[in-house]
Amino acid sequence: GQNIDQPTEMTATEGAIVQINCTYQTSGFNGLFWYQQHAGEAPTFLSYNVLDGLEEKGRFSSFLSRSKGYSYLLLKELQMKDSASYLCAEFPYNTDKLIFGTGTRLQVFP
Amino acid sequence: ETGVTQSPTHLIKTRGQQVTLRCSSQSGHNTVSWYQQALGQGPQFIFQYYREEENGRGNFPPRFSGLQFPNYSSELNVNALELDDSALYLCASSSLAGESPGELFFGEGSRLTVL
Repeated sequence: GQNIDQPTEMTATEGAIVQINCTYQTSGFNGLFWYQQHAGEAPTFLSYNVLDGLEEKGRFSSFLSRSKGYSYLLLKELQMKDSASYLCAEFPYNTDKLIFGTGTRLQVFP
Repeated sequence: ETGVTQSPTHLIKTRGQQVTLRCSSQSGHNTVSWYQQALGQGPQFIFQYYREEENGRGNFPPRFSGLQFPNYSSELNVNALELDDSALYLCASSSLAGESPGELFFGEGSRLTVL
């Protein structure tokens, strides 16, 4: 993920809100994905943003600003099971592949 | 609906050997992508297959090769294994149609250790 930048690690407390930021440098892309990956497991789909703005899905929301090359994943009412890596991935134009960032490892403490 | 399945789940090889990893795509998906995920890193795109043809390749040497079969299942072959090939190999199926084209459905992965 040489074009994608996200923090390596974050910590938060159960019940709190956390925002994981992602910046990217692609000049044109189809959209931006967020995946969750628990240790030793496969990544699972969380959200997909194509247009600017906020997409809300229960406790998770994702925001995209195409002009700023910026996205964030917002996790509310954190639970212990939210401890995982969160991967930001862009879907460039004219390709059928996703380019992933290195992931942000979130640890939720009681 | 059957999800993406991969085999084997774990394997150990030595330098110079060859390995074949297998993947069955999710029902209704005709596109299979392979990713390599080193420890602490995000998945890196290896290549993608669509209708039995390679449809895009990442920055991996030719000793990484693949196949897709008429039933859309796929194989990843790696020749002349190197220590740095130790990683989790993820297979993902997708369909270009639908609400989120490009959304990948991942298998549990094959963890390869090269000694």
